[in-house]
Amino acid sequence: NAGVTQTPKFQVLKTGQSMTLQCAQDMNHEYMSWYRQDPGMGLRLIHYSVGAGITDQGEVPNGYNVSRSTTEDFPLRLLSAAPSQTSVYFCASSYSANLNTEAFFGQGTRLTVV
Amino acid sequence: GESVGLHLPTLSVQEGDNSIINCAYSNSASDYFIWYKQESGKGPQFIIDIRSNMDKRQGQRVTVLLNKTVKHLSLQIAATQPGDSAVYFCAENSRSNDYKLSFGAGTTVTVRA
Repeated sequence: NAGVTQTPKFQVLKTGQSMTLQCAQDMNHEYMSWYRQDPGMGLRLIHYSVGAGITDQGEVPNGYNVSRSTTEDFPLRLLSAAPSQTSVYFCASSYSANLNTEAFFGQGTRLTVV
Repeated sequence: GESVGLHLPTLSVQEGDNSIINCAYSNSASDYFIWYKQESGKGPQFIIDIRSNMDKRQGQRVTVLLNKTVKHLSLQIAATQPGDSAVYFCAENSRSNDYKLSFGAGTTVTVRA
């Protein structure tokens, strides 16, 4: 049982490049989400999904796309990277979208856009 | 808008003393509160949670207190150890906000030997 797995752990992009941050969970969780963490600002919600085939925007969705074709995977796509997207990205999953349940986090992806 | 915040960004504690980390929230409809611990280079890790129909919950060396009257949440760590050095986040969600977790900015706890 690996929990929530994020890849890559580190990435450097040039402005304008695109890439996909991968997130997979093996706990059969319905609810998955992506956050970005910037110094002094806590975690801010980018996008979330309450189940396969369903996604919705969080607090800071601009410049990011997501899809949820399976229960296990929730990739985050940066369409055209900008320096403002330099951050640490965390994927999380929890058992249910309709109950208050603990969220499990991945180890994070540190992204630098130059 | 609704927000969750911590009172102090940093806390320095002598090893063996008790730590108290505070958090204020503004959403009166919040019905679930969680404390997370984040060690350097790692993702947040669940410590303890409390539902809005409770005012106290205890775990191993940790206690969470909820005061809904003043919208205040605190995490108490007993006999603080060097391994407790980390950033601590409070978070909340509510049915009115589709159970999306809202995080505070975090308090960095440093344990002095």
